[in-house]
Amino acid sequence: GAGVSQSPSNKVTEKGKDVELRCDPISGHTALYWYRQSLGQGLEFLIYFQGNSAPDKSGLPSDRFSAERTGGSVSTLTIQRTQQEDSAVYLCASTDSGGNNSPLHFGNGTRLTVT
Amino acid sequence: QKEVEQDPGPLSVPEGAIVSLNCTYSNSAFQYFMWYRQYSRKGPELLMYTYSSGNKEDGRFTAQVDKSSKYISLFIRDSQPSDSATYLCATGQTGANNLFFGTGTRLTVIP
Repeated sequence: GAGVSQSPSNKVTEKGKDVELRCDPISGHTALYWYRQSLGQGLEFLIYFQGNSAPDKSGLPSDRFSAERTGGSVSTLTIQRTQQEDSAVYLCASTDSGGNNSPLHFGNGTRLTVT
Repeated sequence: QKEVEQDPGPLSVPEGAIVSLNCTYSNSAFQYFMWYRQYSRKGPELLMYTYSSGNKEDGRFTAQVDKSSKYISLFIRDSQPSDSATYLCATGQTGANNLFFGTGTRLTVIP
């Protein structure tokens, strides 16, 4: 079956512009995560959605970052007024039950470059 | 102190060698331990998952957890060029939403 799909795969934007990154999780997976991967920094947790519960936004680095998940499926991560330090690979993952005892299935990420 | 520390390498070995990849973690409450493999320009994929101290073997791969020293290892036997990738350790605790990842170790297996 289809895995986690992310789009676009690459995005180059000018500093100050807004960007939207999309994640289409595996069908039936109730939990969805966004992580950020920067060179030498490992994966940084951003936000977690589980079913209809309020999302865990504790990892969002600033109020320029927001995410939503419509209909319990597709998620969009929005970065407003992008800065150069936002340049990274943004990874989405889904799992069938949530909590860290369930393996995460990652997409291939969106590589964001802010010039 | 970071939750998980991992030597970034890079590590380069000849084909057939035994590879040892290691991480340390800081929180004794962490109970789940995972190893992910990430090929260039791809997302991480789960390689090994363990819950307790001790060893878990899967083919050429062995994951080892020592909770007393907060040390986790991944051993690769008879390494192959196709094993060339970045290996990420990850850990977390029951009831928490977040997994903590190491920075990844970049491995190259030379034919």
